[in-house]
Amino acid sequence: ETGVTQSPTHLIKTRGQQVTLRCSSQSGHNTVSWYQQALGQGPQFIFQYYREEENGRGNFPPRFSGLQFPNYSSELNVNALELDDSALYLCASSRTDSPLHFGNGTRLTVT
Amino acid sequence: QKEVEQDPGPLSVPEGAIVSLNCTYSNSAFQYFMWYRQYSRKGPELLMYTYSSGNKEDGRFTAQVDKSSKYISLFIRDSQPSDSATYLCAMRDASNTGKLIFGQGTTLQVKP
Repeated sequence: ETGVTQSPTHLIKTRGQQVTLRCSSQSGHNTVSWYQQALGQGPQFIFQYYREEENGRGNFPPRFSGLQFPNYSSELNVNALELDDSALYLCASSRTDSPLHFGNGTRLTVT
Repeated sequence: QKEVEQDPGPLSVPEGAIVSLNCTYSNSAFQYFMWYRQYSRKGPELLMYTYSSGNKEDGRFTAQVDKSSKYISLFIRDSQPSDSATYLCAMRDASNTGKLIFGQGTTLQVKP
């Protein structure tokens, strides 16, 4: 069984730029969630997608947006990058009412 | 005040010791409780998943949930150097599968 895979592994961007992070969900999972993890902190929920619709959002501004595709892969887009956006971005997938399984994340550095 | 409180440690124990990790929370709507292990430069790995109050055991790991006290614990028996990692508690209510609230994580070091 293939787990959750994320790309790229590392990324360096300049303040003000835009970035797209990608995730491939675990086989059979219909829900995908994205999290931001700052150094030394627990992950923070950004949003969740189910059946290609956003159906839950954390305390993140609209410049954080996402997509879920029919094959349950997903993208996280961040516009107008700020220095504080530097973090590990985690994708997680699950079946409904089952625990989340996480990928290894994309480490984003904004300079 | 954070919804989930977890002592960041670090916690250092000798190999073979029993480790106790704990979290407290404030939201009485939480019904699902999880423990994840995170190695450096890796994503969180699910260790334990429990619903409501009670105990659950899996090998060397035991998870306890006390909803009346809003307190959850993870016990690791016969700790090994390979258990050295950050342990994250997480929890959610019944409404949204994907929205977990995490603690800060406790860094554990098991010394040979």
